[in-house]
Amino acid sequence: LAKTTQPISMDSYEGQEVNITCSHNNIATNDYITWYQQFPSQGPRFIIQGYKTKVTNEVASLFIPADRKSSTLSLPRVSLSDTAVYYCLVGGGGGSNYQLIWGAGTKLIIKP
Amino acid sequence: GAGVSQTPSNKVTEKGKYVELRCDPISGHTALYWYRQSLGQGPEFLIYFQGTGAADDSGLPNDRFFAVRPEGSVSTLKIQRTERGDSAVYLCASSLVGRGRNTEAFFGQGTRLTVV
Repeated sequence: LAKTTQPISMDSYEGQEVNITCSHNNIATNDYITWYQQFPSQGPRFIIQGYKTKVTNEVASLFIPADRKSSTLSLPRVSLSDTAVYYCLVGGGGGSNYQLIWGAGTKLIIKP
Repeated sequence: GAGVSQTPSNKVTEKGKYVELRCDPISGHTALYWYRQSLGQGPEFLIYFQGTGAADDSGLPNDRFFAVRPEGSVSTLKIQRTERGDSAVYLCASSLVGRGRNTEAFFGQGTRLTVV
């Protein structure tokens, strides 16, 4: 099971674009990359999932280079409500969603 | 309901007591997962159900922990002889299928268990 490394914390300001990079050097061929967001006293919430290149949805973009050993979650024009912990996970392909090892995540703090 | 429902939201129990934590998944979701989360840490996998059967219970820390899902819907996590180290938030999640891509997991709010 691949392990991920991401910054413990990040600060930014309202209206800025925030990029959180995650390293996953041991990602397997059939692994997907998934990001979750968690607010205090709530369960994690799915943000985005990708396999390679770029994926975009209504809340974020996910950039994955060709070697797939890292990925970057991009949050456009953040607001105070984006303050949360963000988790990068790899796995799910071929196996099951539950085979995801959760690290401590990145605590993102957005300032006014 | 619209989302995953967990009850109770908070549970305080004395060391040595038995507790049951309930999870009501999203209707139609065949996969159900239990996680445990300690303060400042990510969720830690406990057990995964596909339908009524436990497809993987390798994350259960010891034989004091047990979970059931008798009808393939509601699940109950049972903890016997609770210890102070069991104090954590217990999260339940469900998804449409358990394997492959697009297995987005929907989480409940969790049950905060405190063993005193």
